[in-house]
Amino acid sequence: KQEVTQIPAALSVPEGENLVLNCSFTDSAIYNLQWFRQDPGKGLTSLLLIQSSQREQTSGRLNASLDKSSGRSTLYIAASQPGDSATYLCAVRSPADSGYALNFGKGTSLLVTP
Amino acid sequence: ETGVTQTPRHLVMGMTNKKSLKCEQHLGHNAMYWYKQSAKKPLELMFVYNFKEQTENNSVPSRFSPECPNSSHLFLHLHTLQPEDSALYLCASSRGDSGYEQYFGPGTRLTVT
Repeated sequence: KQEVTQIPAALSVPEGENLVLNCSFTDSAIYNLQWFRQDPGKGLTSLLLIQSSQREQTSGRLNASLDKSSGRSTLYIAASQPGDSATYLCAVRSPADSGYALNFGKGTSLLVTP
Repeated sequence: ETGVTQTPRHLVMGMTNKKSLKCEQHLGHNAMYWYKQSAKKPLELMFVYNFKEQTENNSVPSRFSPECPNSSHLFLHLHTLQPEDSALYLCASSRGDSGYEQYFGPGTRLTVT
């Protein structure tokens, strides 16, 4: 079964800093990897989807990379803002679980201070 | 309404009650999912429906009973729950299986007393 790990579990940075969130997975045979944002008590907002054939995806100040062979993905947030404060979740879809299931990490809780 | 909606947003029920959670997607998707998010644990997939057919049941206890009458609606019927079933229940949808992005609803916060 695929296992997804996110490091760090929590991160606090001052406004304006560039930061990197890490995600690792144990089985490199994946369909895709998705990054989400979750605000306290709320649902998930999809940020970026990277297919297994892709190396990176970009959306505004966010850039996600994928290195399948090493089982790693990073989410880069440029020029962080207090509104970026949330929990960021990484999820992998792979044949090891089923074609449907998203296998989630526990998330990185980000706090951006003014 | 757009996206994925869930009702109710909050639910408190006793262990002997029967209640239902509702999910509706307005995205024209064919696959719908129920996930459970408990404190300190990763999100766990519960059920998957593709074109109204259940394609996955992730060893979920029978006190949780899903229903998918059409591709736009998904229900989770609850009965004789336990306090440890208290969690955030999230519904999601996607165009199809494996390669497609999943979109999530806001969730139902369930408390079992």
